Amino acid sequence: DAGITQSPRHKVTETGTPVTLRCHQTENHRYMYWYRQDPGHGLRLIHYSYGVKDTDKGEVSDGYSVSRSKTEDFLLTLESATSSQTSVYFCAISAILGRFEQFFGPGTRLTVL
Amino acid sequence: ELKVEQNPLFLSMQEGKNYTIYCNYSTTSDRLYWYRQDPGKSLESLFVLLSNGAVKQEGRLMASLDTKARLSTLHITAAVHDLSATYFCAVDKASADAGGTSYGKLTFGQGTILTVHP
Repeated sequence: DAGITQSPRHKVTETGTPVTLRCHQTENHRYMYWYRQDPGHGLRLIHYSYGVKDTDKGEVSDGYSVSRSKTEDFLLTLESATSSQTSVYFCAISAILGRFEQFFGPGTRLTVL
Repeated sequence: ELKVEQNPLFLSMQEGKNYTIYCNYSTTSDRLYWYRQDPGKSLESLFVLLSNGAVKQEGRLMASLDTKARLSTLHITAAVHDLSATYFCAVDKASADAGGTSYGKLTFGQGTILTVHP
């Protein structure tokens, strides 16, 4: 298994509070991604990173920000959580674009009350 | 905007039967991936298809890619209960013809929930 961990694995929070999810990899892969999974939507890309301090928006980036200060860590922050952000969040990593698939972390289940 | 559509979304099969899951996408791409997800678990990579006509097989599953038709298929042969899971296709809109890079941004289909009955 690819060395990807996510923390926390489960979190319950209240509307309006800030939340940070962490993705940590031990593979030294350049590319990292945050997706959210909701019933009927498959997975949707939130933000991605193509190197340290290099990040960009994905399909559903509103309400989220990211940071990557080290190769191994990619943080996803919900500045002010809303109930619509209740979801399962997956981090993924990739070594070489277009040749190798993305490997996914175990996921974080976030509930915003 | 790239759209990826899978059908069927729900598939109930008997053990021993064959069936095909279809993945249609809306723009040029020659990079398509199939993943499996068990309930409450992460996604597991099944196949990587990187050119027109690519065919990959693993056990009872076979995937193919037709870039001209913008279609990939996942064929299940002689289904067994262990194949029960949700299957996703995902498309990277970058292609060799288009040049440049999409940075590996994947667009996923909605997923096909497969249940195999005895």
